[in-house]
Amino acid sequence: QKEVEQNSGPLSVPEGAIASLNCTYSDRVSQSFFWYRQYSGKSPELIMSIYSNGDKEDGRFTAQLNKASQYVSLLIRDSQPSDSATYLCAVVERGFKTIFGAGTRLFVKA
Amino acid sequence: EAQVTQNPRYLITVTGKKLTVTCSQNMNHEYMSWYRQDPGLGLRQIYYSMNVEVTDKGDVPEGYKVSRKEKRNFPLILESPSPNQTSLYFCASSIHPTATEAFFGQGTRLTVV
Repeated sequence: QKEVEQNSGPLSVPEGAIASLNCTYSDRVSQSFFWYRQYSGKSPELIMSIYSNGDKEDGRFTAQLNKASQYVSLLIRDSQPSDSATYLCAVVERGFKTIFGAGTRLFVKA
Repeated sequence: EAQVTQNPRYLITVTGKKLTVTCSQNMNHEYMSWYRQDPGLGLRQIYYSMNVEVTDKGDVPEGYKVSRKEKRNFPLILESPSPNQTSLYFCASSIHPTATEAFFGQGTRLTVV
């Protein structure tokens, strides 16, 4: 079993819709969770970080964390074509090792 | 400008010829790490360093070496590169891995023939 799992996609949504990206992790003591966006050929850049159960909102983005279910998600409201990218879930495990999921490709159709 | 700088950006080399990819950050970050990115596998951590002279293995350390003699620099060394090390490599730094975002370098595309 992979330590951090994401649906590889591609996930295709129409412009203006809500895109929902999901991630599960296996290390129960993980405390820090991050969502990065990566455009093709570019470096990853941080979208959201979340550390406690519940929702965290930042503009059009909402991160949700459920430690009991070992599940973290990212919602993108009012999706725009510029949101088309690969979204990477990252989990920092005990000992400070960082594990990334394989990423979900998102396409937003104009 | 705060940044992580990797060099070279592109490198083609032959099997067995030692090479070093440099990484330097100007943000006084404690934590630095190296990743490789391969299609379908995402980013996999090779090595990380919590501070000067402190390094630890990530998920895929075989065939790689690192050193952290200065806080700002974290070079990645391939003593005897092989074709399966052909990949896109990223260096990243952060104040602390659990509390803050990581800043990534521009990436180094390595091809070993």
